[in-house]
Amino acid sequence: GQQLNQSPQSMFIQEGEDVSMNCTSSSIFNTWLWYKQDPGEGPVLLIALYKAGELTSNGRLTAQFGITRKDSFLNISASIPSDVGIYFCAGRRGGGADGLTFGKGTHLIIQP
Amino acid sequence: DGGITQSPKYLFRKEGQNVTLSCEQNLNHDAMYWYRQDPGQGLRLIYYSQIVNDFQKGDIAEGYSVSREKKESFPLTVTSAQKNPTAFYLCASSIVGAATEAFFGQGTRLTVV
Repeated sequence: GQQLNQSPQSMFIQEGEDVSMNCTSSSIFNTWLWYKQDPGEGPVLLIALYKAGELTSNGRLTAQFGITRKDSFLNISASIPSDVGIYFCAGRRGGGADGLTFGKGTHLIIQP
Repeated sequence: DGGITQSPKYLFRKEGQNVTLSCEQNLNHDAMYWYRQDPGQGLRLIYYSQIVNDFQKGDIAEGYSVSREKKESFPLTVTSAQKNPTAFYLCASSIVGAATEAFFGQGTRLTVV
């Protein structure tokens, strides 16, 4: 099965820096989701996007659904230590209950 | 509290044994899913179910089986036919509709020795 192309694979940043990551696909998705996963835990939903061009914020997080429906990005502003973790993008093609397609994740590491 | 409960958190089994992972949700969601996660990888879909007594294969269904006898429950059996069963298994649920997100349980880490 297809996986989304998520980049970068890992990021080493200083506390307070802004972060940007993105996902691309060769096919169209109707829903884009961004999750954060801490070690040994299940992913937690951060932002859900349902319309092409949609820009949505959740605190310091901002995500956009690409106009072509084939990409999405997530920005984190003014990073803090608790932002450390793995961020996954996920897309859903259909309008029913078909499963999500996931990227391989972006591992965010904040250097002291 | 509403949510998705997976049990156990950690599971050890001998090679060649079948093992069943539990997933229960009290969110009144129609759809439930099982994903497998390997180190450094994203989540891959094993099986999903949109309604009671019905389920569909995902991308990596070989060596796994499921049942959906109740809306709240979607157990996953890892059979001896699964060549590399050691992994982190995640269950999720969602409503059925055009704009829905999936919510995940805390996962079960299965180690086969």
